[in-house]
Amino acid sequence: DAKTTQPNSMESNEEEPVHLPCNHSTISGTDYIHWYRQLPSQGPEYVIHGLTSNVNNRMASLAIAEDRKSSTLILHRATLRDAAVYYCILRGNYGGSQGNLIFGKGTKLSVKP
Amino acid sequence: DSGVTQTPKHLITATGQRVTLRCSPRSGDLSVYWYQQSLDQGLQFLIQYYNGEERAKGNILERFSAQQFPDLHSELNLSSLELGDSALYFCASSVGGLAGSYEQYFGPGTRLTVT
Repeated sequence: DAKTTQPNSMESNEEEPVHLPCNHSTISGTDYIHWYRQLPSQGPEYVIHGLTSNVNNRMASLAIAEDRKSSTLILHRATLRDAAVYYCILRGNYGGSQGNLIFGKGTKLSVKP
Repeated sequence: DSGVTQTPKHLITATGQRVTLRCSPRSGDLSVYWYQQSLDQGLQFLIQYYNGEERAKGNILERFSAQQFPDLHSELNLSSLELGDSALYFCASSVGGLAGSYEQYFGPGTRLTVT
């Protein structure tokens, strides 16, 4: 499976935008880019996913580079509730064992009031 | 609330015992996944079922087994428990099985403590 690289940690101020980067230079043409987050003492939570075009939903935006070798999760206005570990995960669109998510260490986001 | 339910929330048992963890997927989801999260190993995929059939296996020990029932709920059975099996066990569900476009929704987890 293609791997992703994320910074170990990032800090943000409350109510400011946050840009969480992810590098995936070995991404294949059929890999979707998924983002999940895990708040303390909770299960992982789906945030957003995309294939080639930028995506927006109520939680965040996903900006995908033109060559798809990197992407950025954008939280438009960070709140204290956004403090979590954010995981960038590639999911292939084919059979075999690729139905599951492979979690790395993710980026621990701290939000300061 | 993701719509995925897991019971029990907490489980404390002794080494050598057997336990069963239960998961009910979101309404309409056919696929169920089990993950284990321990402090030293992070989140690891164990096994996936799709509409009652096993579809993928990860780092699941032979002492562990799972099944998905006709009503689509799933159970994870852990036997001959060891101290190292203490972890959080998460269940997730998705509409589809293997396609990369499907997102997964996670339950709140079962915290297993083996003493």
